[in-house]
Amino acid sequence: NAGVMQNPRHLVRRRGQEARLRCSPMKGHSHVYWYRQLPEEGLKFMVYLQKENIIDESGMPKERFSAEFPKEGPSILRIQQVVRGDSAAYFCASSPQQGNPGNEKLFFGSGTQLSVL
Amino acid sequence: RKEVEQDPGPFNVPEGATVAFNCTYSNSASQSFFWYRQDCRKEPKLLMSVYSSGNEDGRFTAQLNRASQYISLLIRDSKLSDSATYLCVVNRGGGFKTIFGAGTRLFVKA
Repeated sequence: NAGVMQNPRHLVRRRGQEARLRCSPMKGHSHVYWYRQLPEEGLKFMVYLQKENIIDESGMPKERFSAEFPKEGPSILRIQQVVRGDSAAYFCASSPQQGNPGNEKLFFGSGTQLSVL
Repeated sequence: RKEVEQDPGPFNVPEGATVAFNCTYSNSASQSFFWYRQDCRKEPKLLMSVYSSGNEDGRFTAQLNRASQYISLLIRDSKLSDSATYLCVVNRGGGFKTIFGAGTRLFVKA
């Protein structure tokens, strides 16, 4: 049973380009989270999605950032017109269907390191 | 006030020491509690769940105090390999998102 798969592991973009980060949750998991982490800082929540629904996007910048989790395929975090300040590690995590205590455990992917030149 | 607050770090301890981390949460409706560990430049990994009666896993003991809305993690006989950031994690169920604390950094020295 494969874990949470993120790709690419490293992504280099020039200012103004678009970055697309992909996350395939663990088999049977229907909930996905995206987090951002700057060096020497903690995880910052960005968005929480269920299949075809955004449940909570309170941590996502209003402009340039979007996320989706389609019925088929991986979850995508898209950053348009990247700036240097977007350089960070982006972690994806998945969990089983919510509602039952203990099902809220999150399993993380290895992350995508985005570098904006 | 943050929904989950942890001890400020870093903690610097010698090998073999016992160290305790504290965490408080603000939402009394919280139902599930966890400790995660994150190594430098790696993804967070589940260390242990925290149960109302308290639970132990080898050298690690987790406690929950619902009345005080307080969680703790005790590490006995610290090893060099315990050096990491420890994250307190809370979820109130019902489809609400899981909340991570900012983390407490631990350095275990020889």
